[in-house]
Amino acid sequence: EAGVTQFPSHSVIEKGQTVTLRCDPISGHDNLYWYRRVMGKEIKFLLHFVKESKQDESGMPNNRFLAERTGGTYSTLKVQPAELEDSGVYFCASSQGFPNEQFFGPGTRLTVL
Amino acid sequence: GEDVEQSLFLSVREGDSSVINCTYTDSSSTYLYWYKQEPGAGLQLLTYIFSNMDMKQDQRLTVLLNKKDKHLSLRIADTQTGDSAIYFCAEITSGGGADGLTFGKGTHLIIQP
Repeated sequence: EAGVTQFPSHSVIEKGQTVTLRCDPISGHDNLYWYRRVMGKEIKFLLHFVKESKQDESGMPNNRFLAERTGGTYSTLKVQPAELEDSGVYFCASSQGFPNEQFFGPGTRLTVL
Repeated sequence: GEDVEQSLFLSVREGDSSVINCTYTDSSSTYLYWYKQEPGAGLQLLTYIFSNMDMKQDQRLTVLLNKKDKHLSLRIADTQTGDSAIYFCAEITSGGGADGLTFGKGTHLIIQP
């Protein structure tokens, strides 16, 4: 069974540009999460989807970040416009059922210059 | 808010036991997790423990939970070079189904020959 996949693995953009990250969860997993790790800091929760609905987006840093999960399958996270402080590794995870074992993807390393 | 603390580095000799410690502040944590991240890879769920348990063993891994002191530890018996990685402690506060994880900064486990 395929795990959680993320694309791209690495993105380098200039400040002010737009970047879209993609996450494909494990097939059949209703729960999809986005996390971010800024250098030297903890991995921080961004938001959680149940199928196509946003369950909790309390961790989203600001309105430059937009996450979608159309059809309840893959999800995208768009950063527009990107700022220097958005640099970090963005992880996606998915889970199904109890007790919420979250399986993580390899992450997308975003560098904003 | 919730806080999870870990020491940043642990160095052990190959064949010895490793004990990675974690403290957390949220007394309503329901599940506590240990994740492993090898270089260039995503987060791999190692094990988890429910808050009403005080110990869980899985092959070389032993998890101890002291709920009174809000202290969690991961013991790896007979540490091997393949155990070299970053180990993250994480907790969740929910019925087990909905929320994002709160992570520590991770402990780098260094294996000496």
